[in-house]
Amino acid sequence: NAGVIQTPRHKVTGKGQEATLWCEPISGHSAVFWYRQTIVQGLEFLTYFRNQAPIDDSGMPKERFSAQMPNQSHSTLKIQSTQPQDSAVYLCASSPTGGNQAPLFGEGTRLSVL
Amino acid sequence: QQKVQQSPESLIVPEGGMASLNCTSSDRNVDYFWWYRQHSGKSPKMLMSIFSNGEKEEGRFTVHLNKASLHTSLHIRDSQPSDSALYLCAASRAGGYKVVFGSGTRLLVSP
Repeated sequence: NAGVIQTPRHKVTGKGQEATLWCEPISGHSAVFWYRQTIVQGLEFLTYFRNQAPIDDSGMPKERFSAQMPNQSHSTLKIQSTQPQDSAVYLCASSPTGGNQAPLFGEGTRLSVL
Repeated sequence: QQKVQQSPESLIVPEGGMASLNCTSSDRNVDYFWWYRQHSGKSPKMLMSIFSNGEKEEGRFTVHLNKASLHTSLHIRDSQPSDSALYLCAASRAGGYKVVFGSGTRLLVSP
């Protein structure tokens, strides 16, 4: 069991560029979560898919952030026109069905916007 | 907006001592609580879960839940330097809702 796989582990972009982050959930897990973690804000919920369908994107900054789950084996988080305040560790997690089963995290992608 | 509040923000305990961490949800419909531990530079790892009123013990770790007050606590006895980490509380409703995390308690166990 490889766990949740996130790529790349580190990404550096210039202000205004686009960044795409990838997540491969644990095989068989139908719930996929995206979070952003900074020292100041802590671990912030961004969005949540179940069986590939978007369930809750209430944490997503609407203008530049988008997330997709085109198939059960991967999800992407895209940030357009990146800004320095987007610098954070982006964490993906999956769980078998949501509900009472705890999300299991990948190692994260550290995004640095210069 | 559902919130999870944790206290204290940081805590220092001597090696061998007891650490007590607190967590309260603002969502009256919350059903599940989890405690995660995150060592520096690593991702959060689930430590314990609690879904019903009462107490649950696993080794040196004990969690309590009071659903009426939406409050859970984590107690670590005989704390070790390796327990030094950020402890995160998470909460969710039944039915496949999002999981919301608190800002965490940073625990330092001094040798």
